[in-house]
Amino acid sequence: AQTVTQSQPEMSVQEAETVTLSCTYDTSENNYYLFWYKQPPSRQMILVIRQEAYKQQNATENRFSVNFQKAAKSFSLKISDSQLGDTAMYFCAFINQGGSEKLVFGKGTKLTVNP
Amino acid sequence: GAGVSQSPRYKVAKRGQDVALRCDPISGHVSLFWYQQALGQGPEFLTYFQNEAQLDKSGLPSDRFFAERPEGSVSTLKIQRTQQEDSAVYLCASSPFSGRAPGELFFGEGSRLTVL
Repeated sequence: AQTVTQSQPEMSVQEAETVTLSCTYDTSENNYYLFWYKQPPSRQMILVIRQEAYKQQNATENRFSVNFQKAAKSFSLKISDSQLGDTAMYFCAFINQGGSEKLVFGKGTKLTVNP
Repeated sequence: GAGVSQSPRYKVAKRGQDVALRCDPISGHVSLFWYQQALGQGPEFLTYFQNEAQLDKSGLPSDRFFAERPEGSVSTLKIQRTQQEDSAVYLCASSPFSGRAPGELFFGEGSRLTVL
């Protein structure tokens, strides 16, 4: 069974600083996708960034980038120039390519950006 | 509407009552998912529809949970004889993809169920 582990229940960062959220996963599959989702307080979850396992290049979306280490099964999220609106729960998630359609989520990291 | 709409947003039920939670996905989205999110936890998969077909219900915790999507659009999650452990936020998500979905889901705001 696939599992996703986020070892940092809570983190905080000063506005304009950089923060990295950690995620590790366990799978025996070779082809899969990894995601970071953001869940702001009392608002719906939205996709932040996606990484295909077959791509060696790390995905980047504006201030958000990932460090994907396939051999280590590690998938960390770096947020640069943190903004107050980045305050949210962040969930790492995994899905097999070609298998079940269900996303497997970690327990999340609560990020607070301080002014 | 433009997004996934869920109702009711909040539901308080007495133990033993039946509840029904509704999800209106984004128009044209083929795939629809239900997730259960307990307090302080990540979402846990419940069930998945592709159009009107329920292709995976492996996450439903018991036979008290039932989901349907009869016309391939709106979906209802029904919980019979609610128990306190059913208290959670129930998230609905939809995706325009079918088959080999890449996992890019559009979530609703959720229905928060509290069972007393």
